[in-house]
Amino acid sequence: EADIYQTPRYLVIGTGKKITLECSQTMGHDKMYWYQQDPGMELHLIHYSYGVNSTEKGDLSSESTVSRIRTEHFPLTLESARPSHTSQYLCASQGNDYGYTFGSGTRLTVV
Amino acid sequence: KNQVEQSPQSLIILEGKNCTLQCNYTVSPFSNLRWYKQDTGRGPVSLTIMTFSENTKSNGRYTATLDADTKQSSLHITASQLSDSASYICVVSLNTGTASKLTFGTGTRLQVTL
Repeated sequence: EADIYQTPRYLVIGTGKKITLECSQTMGHDKMYWYQQDPGMELHLIHYSYGVNSTEKGDLSSESTVSRIRTEHFPLTLESARPSHTSQYLCASQGNDYGYTFGSGTRLTVV
Repeated sequence: KNQVEQSPQSLIILEGKNCTLQCNYTVSPFSNLRWYKQDTGRGPVSLTIMTFSENTKSNGRYTATLDADTKQSSLHITASQLSDSASYICVVSLNTGTASKLTFGTGTRLQVTL
């Protein structure tokens, strides 16, 4: 049973809209990550956080922003969505051991 | 550049048959290697995690092997089931000292048929 939750699962929006993808975890993990994955392609890290008020950009440049006001919550925001943002976005958290837990993902389509 | 390469890209097998997926990596310094199963449109789910000192690890019908000298890993699936149809992703963790960083392979898409 997943302890990390992403909403919405699917989102279709028009160009120029502002959107926020939600990610919450109930495991008390300090480390959280956002990955972007195009169909059939590998995951690319776009943002990560090691704790409250800590956020960093990942390997893949992204126009999105993140915030970490609470340990359990790590939302990702796109101020003005474009068709190039169409992708799957996966949130993950990491405990003190090596384990990562992934959410089910949000599939975003910008039309 | 740290890379993780998987083969084959895709594989179709009959239900009940065994199969082996390969992963070669150049990530250094190496911390651990993971195999994930990812159903279409879902997040990856961890199957096994191995450190450099471990040669094999099993999880039910899944058995992963690791040769840290040759930087190769394999995932063996025994007596495949239709529910095994998914992408299998090899992920290598870079030991940065202060944080772990994952390098993902592009995955092997497995289809199990009747």
